[in-house]
Amino acid sequence: EVQLAQSGGILEQPGRSLKISCTGSGFNFGDFAINWVRQAPGKGLEWVGFIRSQTYGGTTDYAASMRGRFSISRDDSKTTVYLQIKGLKSEDTAVYYCTRMSGTSGYDWAFDYWGQGTLVTVSA
Amino acid sequence: QSVLTQSPSVSGTAGQRVTISCSGSRSNIRSNIVNWYQQLPGTAPKLLIYSNNQRPSGVPDRFSGSKSGTSASLAISGLQSEDEADYYCAAWDDSLSGPLFGGGTKLTVL
Repeated sequence: EVQLAQSGGILEQPGRSLKISCTGSGFNFGDFAINWVRQAPGKGLEWVGFIRSQTYGGTTDYAASMRGRFSISRDDSKTTVYLQIKGLKSEDTAVYYCTRMSGTSGYDWAFDYWGQGTLVTVSA
Repeated sequence: QSVLTQSPSVSGTAGQRVTISCSGSRSNIRSNIVNWYQQLPGTAPKLLIYSNNQRPSGVPDRFSGSKSGTSASLAISGLQSEDEADYYCAAWDDSLSGPLFGGGTKLTVL
């Protein structure tokens, strides 16, 4: 069974940094790109960014508004992907979901499996 | 402009058929496939429709998707109370080089 298990919720102060994780099981983790999607309280889904599989160089891409403070990395030996956020702002408060991406282009992509979500709260 | 527009809400009675629309542009819906996600209250989103009109294993055939030009639609027939959820369309956007989500449509089953 394909599963994505995320680390627990976290409360952090503005300006600080944090790192959350997403561990996959039940599939060949190294073959898939992993994305992060966030959802602010009462709001819709917003794409954060993704990391490609090593087959495609393990490179990353981010939504324009996320570039600079957000960083995604992966450790395939631990079947884990990480999302680091620096210089936290109150507007970063959201549930962050990791999701597996099937396909490799706009013609065949889909987020087919999702983690349970990690609540990140940024508050003094 | 890279935006996918959905109506904020839609409602229907049990057994009825409802349609949720998603309007985009040349850089997203016209050029790429559309996926739909269902988010039940308090849970993570779930893939409902992929590649415009394909259902993953386990999704009832009451759910169907279509696309024409710069718009896409999700139809739900034989509405059930458990269908009450938020529904999101999503398409890859060539201008953004990444996926774009619609604002979501809240379905209420009366």
